[in-house]
Amino acid sequence: DAKTTQPPSMDCAEGRAANLPCNHSTISGNEYVYWYRQIHSQGPQYIIHGLKNNETNEMASLIITEDRKSSTLILPHATLRDTAVYYCIARITGANSKLTFGKGITLSVRP
Amino acid sequence: GAGVSQTPSNKVTEKGKYVELRCDPISGHTALYWYRQSLGQGPEFLIYFQGTGAADDSGLPNDRFFAVRPEGSVSTLKIQRTERGDSAVYLCASSLWEQETQYFGPGTRLLVL
Repeated sequence: DAKTTQPPSMDCAEGRAANLPCNHSTISGNEYVYWYRQIHSQGPQYIIHGLKNNETNEMASLIITEDRKSSTLILPHATLRDTAVYYCIARITGANSKLTFGKGITLSVRP
Repeated sequence: GAGVSQTPSNKVTEKGKYVELRCDPISGHTALYWYRQSLGQGPEFLIYFQGTGAADDSGLPNDRFFAVRPEGSVSTLKIQRTERGDSAVYLCASSLWEQETQYFGPGTRLLVL
């Protein structure tokens, strides 16, 4: 699986959009970009995933650059409950279906 | 519907003891995964099952760790002769098929004294 790199931390104000960056410059054509988050003392929670098109669901939007070397997870109106560690994962399709987590980015939403 | 459940939520044991950790996947999910998370780190893959068989056990750290899924649903992770370094959160995830999105349980926090 392609290695992803994320800044260690960021913060944003409650009610504002949180834009979480991820670099995956070695991603291959058959690797999806997955985002999970982990709120303190809980299991990881699936957020969204995409291959090359931008994706949106009730939780977030995922913007993938045209060259697929980076992506941004957007939480449109961050709340205090969005404070968590966010993991960006490049996951290959096919037989190797495990997730390879890095250290993620810690998002702190301030009141 | 019900998510992935794991029992116990916390387990304290003494060095050298045997422990079993249980995972109940989402009903109908054929793939089941075990991960381990140490403090301050992301989860690390241990093993995954497709149905009853272990399709990939390359993440198991040594032969003290073993997992089963005899009927293709519930899975048990077994750790023999526990060591203090085994202390971690053990996470289970399941997916409808092996390439589909994985959904995680709350984890079992294991502390080896």
